[in-house]
Amino acid sequence: DIQMTQSPSSLSASLGDRVTITCRASQGISNYLAWYQQKPGEVPKLLIYTASTLQIGVPSRFSGSGSGTDFTLTISSLQPEDVATYYCQKYDSALWTFGQGTKVEI
Amino acid sequence: QVQLVQSGAEVKKPGASIKVSCKASGYTFTSYYAHWVRQAPGQGLEWMGIIDPSGGGTSYAQNFQGRVTITRDTSTRTVYMELNRLTSEDTAVYFCARSTATTGTDYWGQGTLVTVSS
Repeated sequence: DIQMTQSPSSLSASLGDRVTITCRASQGISNYLAWYQQKPGEVPKLLIYTASTLQIGVPSRFSGSGSGTDFTLTISSLQPEDVATYYCQKYDSALWTFGQGTKVEI
Repeated sequence: QVQLVQSGAEVKKPGASIKVSCKASGYTFTSYYAHWVRQAPGQGLEWMGIIDPSGGGTSYAQNFQGRVTITRDTSTRTVYMELNRLTSEDTAVYFCARSTATTGTDYWGQGTLVTVSS
């Protein structure tokens, strides 16, 4: 099975900072990658799909890039409401595996 | 509006089985895959499996092969997840979610807490 590895596992940044989270697949998955945000006590929220397509209603400070095995989620200017855990998920096959998550703090 | 409404919290003893339901509304039920994802306390998201409500085809994560069954009832627009031989490590919130083949899971149920304890 293809494994998804996120880095870092956690990070602390200042308001307004540019934040980058990386997700690496153990094999190529084309662009079949999604990013989710989960705040404590809440249901996960889809941010980005097909690696770089912003879900409707998601602020434009979020962006995604990558293809094949290496992907990034970028928050261009960190806001207080962005404190959350972020997950990548691959869906190139019938197995939709998540990464282990990256906790973002301020 | 799209809604996925799950059944309520349950407490089970080790060795028992659990069946969680997820009732869909607000969209064409057979046009979207349904997923089950779980989250143990303080842990990350773990994808369990998927069903195509149109034909009933399923796929399961290797960690759950042989222990999980996902089914659907198109007449009631409901998806079910049954997990057998429960242990304390199955204590988690279980979520259903929907997706297409290309867009990720865009709507999620509210979650169902399953507690396994003797």
